[in-house]
Amino acid sequence: DAGVIQSPRHEVTEMGQEVTLRCKPISGHNSLFWYRQTMMRGLELLIYFNNNVPIDDSGMPEDRFSAKMPNASFSTLKIQPSEPRDSAVYFCASSLRADRGREKLFFGSGTQLSVL
Amino acid sequence: DAKTTQPPSMDCAEGRAANLPCNHSTISGNEYVYWYRQIHSQGPQYIIHGLKNNETNEMASLIITEDRKSSTLILPHATLRDTAVYYCIVRVTNAGKSTFGDGTTLTVKP
Repeated sequence: DAGVIQSPRHEVTEMGQEVTLRCKPISGHNSLFWYRQTMMRGLELLIYFNNNVPIDDSGMPEDRFSAKMPNASFSTLKIQPSEPRDSAVYFCASSLRADRGREKLFFGSGTQLSVL
Repeated sequence: DAKTTQPPSMDCAEGRAANLPCNHSTISGNEYVYWYRQIHSQGPQYIIHGLKNNETNEMASLIITEDRKSSTLILPHATLRDTAVYYCIVRVTNAGKSTFGDGTTLTVKP
């Protein structure tokens, strides 16, 4: 398996522009997570889905952020409008939620976002 | 999920065992202990997890104290490629969230 695939690897945009990050989870996994990592705040969970349904979006910083999972093989994280403080590495992870407490997270390589 | 406490940094000589401690004194009976590591600029990587018993796999060993209030991740023969940030996480069963703390930065030196 190719693992969790994220695109783009790097994104540079100007303040006010819309940014869309994409994620393809591992085939057969039924949970998907979006994390954000900065030096100041570390690795933060933004939102996670189970069977394509958003379960907990309490980590989404504000209404400018939205995430969708239209099917089991694709998810997007959108920022509109983007701001310089959104600059971070965004990671997508997936897992197979089958056996209680035994889910392992598999992370993608991340998207490095720079908002100028 | 229970809170974990880890030392911010540790050094280890190449070829020696690296012992990374984690305190989780408020752990509940249904919470597992997970370890992940993050090598610079990569996504975190799963290492090992356990509930009560000690566990071993091809990457590491996990020693959990009898009262489950602390654990130690052991890399038996550390290499330079093991230099990374190591995260200890505890999580309830049937819950999707994994909350990462600050972790321990392990530096393996020649």
